[in-house]
Amino acid sequence: AQSVTQPDIHITVSEGASLELRCNYSYGATPYLFWYVQSPGQGLQLLLKYFSGDTLVQGIKGFEAEFKRSQSSFNLRKPSVHWSDAAEYFCAVGSRSGNTPLVFGKGTRLSVIA
Amino acid sequence: DTEVTQTPKHLVMGMTNKKSLKCEQHMGHRAMYWYKQKAKKPPELMFVYSYEKLSINESVPSRFSPECPNSSLLNLHLHALQPEDSALYLCASSRSSGGGREAEAFFGQGTRLTVV
Repeated sequence: AQSVTQPDIHITVSEGASLELRCNYSYGATPYLFWYVQSPGQGLQLLLKYFSGDTLVQGIKGFEAEFKRSQSSFNLRKPSVHWSDAAEYFCAVGSRSGNTPLVFGKGTRLSVIA
Repeated sequence: DTEVTQTPKHLVMGMTNKKSLKCEQHMGHRAMYWYKQKAKKPPELMFVYSYEKLSINESVPSRFSPECPNSSLLNLHLHALQPEDSALYLCASSRSSGGGREAEAFFGQGTRLTVV
């Protein structure tokens, strides 16, 4: 069965600084990978996804993520963080077949300071 | 239209009340999901409907009763809830539940439920 690990529970960065949120997955084949963002009391919004092809994926709000098969990772990056990026970020993995919904990591809470 | 709409946004109910949460999508998706999310936790899958049939029930107590009247609508009927059931309830949909690209999930904004 697939699983997702987000090693960082909480990260604080200064506004304007770069950001990297880590995500490691466990899956027997190449998975489908997603990053979602959730503002307090809101639903989950899809930032970006990886299905196949180019391993560097561009998303909304200036985010990108890189799929690294050798490291089983799909880390989320942003070159310059804005105060509005403060939120909870979830990495998720989907299987390539079968009746299996997305599996979510435990999330990383991002705080942005001035 | 890429929206999943949930109503109500907020709900306060007593432990003896009966209430329902509603979810609607018009993307032609054939899989719909209910998740429960407690504060500072990831969403926990409760139910999956595939082509209007219940395909996954993650051992959810019977005080939660899902219903899928048609391919666009998903309800969650609530009865005799406990205070620990207070949470954000999220609805999601995807093209299908068959895995692969089809399983990309679109989420609603959630219903904040408080049981008193």
